[in-house]
Amino acid sequence: SVLTQPPSASGTPGQRVTISCSGSRSNIGSDTVNWYQHLPGTAPKLLIYSNNQRPSGVPDRFSGSKSGTSASLAISGLQSEDEADYYCAAWDDSLIGVIFGGGTKLTVL
Amino acid sequence: QVQLQESGPGLVKPSETLSLTCVVSGFSISSGLYWGWIRQPPGKGLEWIGNIYHNGSAYYNPSLKSRVTISVDTSKNQFSLKLSSVTAADTAFYYCAYYEGYFDYWGQGTLVTVSS
Repeated sequence: SVLTQPPSASGTPGQRVTISCSGSRSNIGSDTVNWYQHLPGTAPKLLIYSNNQRPSGVPDRFSGSKSGTSASLAISGLQSEDEADYYCAAWDDSLIGVIFGGGTKLTVL
Repeated sequence: QVQLQESGPGLVKPSETLSLTCVVSGFSISSGLYWGWIRQPPGKGLEWIGNIYHNGSAYYNPSLKSRVTISVDTSKNQFSLKLSSVTAADTAFYYCAYYEGYFDYWGQGTLVTVSS
């Protein structure tokens, strides 16, 4: 993937975990980053848009940030229901299209 | 509330054309920005296929561009995906979604299997 994410992350209930997303000047460096949560058998859900904005209904435990050509998703007060796959995404000016990160599988221990 | 629903054959033979339709309800397709298709092969990550504006202008994933056509029918408030010359590698869950710089409304997805 053009956007690089760690394949896995884990934490215990109540902990804070972060998931990174590394890109380049043509994508994260020049456009905003969005994050999606995907539970097996369901449609992906928009979690963070425009780097750090939460859609209505998304708990404030979820936060996003961006710096240069990298972005990160932070989840505080980890809960068992947060166990899911997380994807970053951005528009790429070189490819002229949307690109997704490879996804990070979050396990709540 | 915007709702999207994919429909189409769940089984397609190799070398044939995969065809899916996404019906939009609760929102006029002509009032929106872009409408898109995304897929997820079993065990793999999300892959963007393409987006279309209500006037028909479209952007496609360069890796699929030669085989993909996305069209829109504003009279039926729906848009469609055609993927030609499919192989087993095209087996995936296919999702339609509304794009306004991010995909904020998604269909539930439909599994398409390519097999003889």
